[in-house]
Amino acid sequence: NAGVTQTPKFQVLKTGQSMTLQCAQDMNHNSMYWYRQDPGMGLRLIYYSASEGTTDKGEVPNGYNVSRLNKREFSLRLESAAPSQTSVYFCASSEYQPQHFGDGTRLSIL
Amino acid sequence: QQQVKQSPQSLIVQKGGISIINCAYENTAFDYFPWYQQFPGKGPALLIAIRPDVSEKKEGRFTISFNKSAKQFSLHIMDSQPGDSATYFCAASKLRGGSNYKLTFGKGTLLTVNP
Repeated sequence: NAGVTQTPKFQVLKTGQSMTLQCAQDMNHNSMYWYRQDPGMGLRLIYYSASEGTTDKGEVPNGYNVSRLNKREFSLRLESAAPSQTSVYFCASSEYQPQHFGDGTRLSIL
Repeated sequence: QQQVKQSPQSLIVQKGGISIINCAYENTAFDYFPWYQQFPGKGPALLIAIRPDVSEKKEGRFTISFNKSAKQFSLHIMDSQPGDSATYFCAASKLRGGSNYKLTFGKGTLLTVNP
């Protein structure tokens, strides 16, 4: 049982490039989330999808877009990457609580 | 506005000692308080969680103490081991309720247990 799978695990981008981070879960959960983790800042919610077909902004949505492709998959897109978006990105899923996390995508923007 | 405040930022204890991490929350609508454990290079994983209808929950060496009137909860790790060295996050949410079960995280505590 893979749980929550994120791809890629590492990525380096140049400022202005675009990229999509992929997330898939195999637990049949309705809700999925995208967080970013920065040193000393904890985990901050970027976007979430309470159920298939719905998405909502979290605490730090600026510069990001999301797509809930189906019940399993929830992608995060950076349209024009900026150095401030250098971070570790985590996807999570849940059926109410608790949330189950993937192992993250480490993204560096030069 | 930070809704969950966690302290300390870092903690060093000796093997066999007690590790204590504290959190305070503001939103009285929260009714689910989990602690997550994160090892380097991995995602956070649920360690233990509590609801406000009990004041304490114990699972092995890990105990959550909850004070509803003070809006505070804490994680106690008894007989701390080097393998417990990790970053710990407290969080708060609603257990159910549509979009309101988003987790609000504290900023994390880096625990180091020396052998």
